[in-house]
Amino acid sequence: AQKVTQAQTEISVVEKEDVTLDCVYETRDTTYYLFWYKQPPSGELVFLIRRNSFDEQNEISGRYSWNFQKSTSSFNFTITASQVVDSAVYFCALSEAGGRDDKIIFGKGTRLHILP
Amino acid sequence: EAQVTQNPRYLITVTGKKLTVTCSQNMNHEYMSWYRQDPGLGLRQIYYSMNVEVTDKGDVPEGYKVSRKEKRNFPLILESPSPNQTSLYFCASSLATEDTQYFGPGTRLTVL
Repeated sequence: AQKVTQAQTEISVVEKEDVTLDCVYETRDTTYYLFWYKQPPSGELVFLIRRNSFDEQNEISGRYSWNFQKSTSSFNFTITASQVVDSAVYFCALSEAGGRDDKIIFGKGTRLHILP
Repeated sequence: EAQVTQNPRYLITVTGKKLTVTCSQNMNHEYMSWYRQDPGLGLRQIYYSMNVEVTDKGDVPEGYKVSRKEKRNFPLILESPSPNQTSLYFCASSLATEDTQYFGPGTRLTVL
């Protein structure tokens, strides 16, 4: 069965520190997609990244980077030189396109506090 | 502007009074979905729809109904709301299951 685990419920770091948010997933399918979404204090859900299971290249977008490792079933998210505006809840999600069903499973989220 | 709209944004109701939360998207997306967000539980999928007249249960479908008569609309129906359905609800759409989801602004529902 699909499962997404975000073991860190809440993290606090001081501004300008680097921080990594962990995401571990479980799936039986060989084809799947992983996502990260951000939910700032205003409440909307904002897409950050999508990665398919055949593309293990790490990705960098400005201060954000993602490390996808199939060997450990992890898709971790790192913010470099964090800023107060990065304070939000971050969700990791898994989709098994073409699998037994078309559900999308979210982790419980990690609440990130960036302290000034 | 590409968007997903939900109405109402806020609703306070009483146990047993049927209600419908509407969801509409203007991106011609095939996949639509409803989630509820509760503290400590993250986002949990209630129902999803792969296309018109095709709907299926997510992880927490009990107490909810949906319909997909048109591609753009995916209403969530609570036939007899109960206090444990007090939650923040999000509608989302995407081209397909594997694609990026676009979320509506959320509907905060309180059932007394």
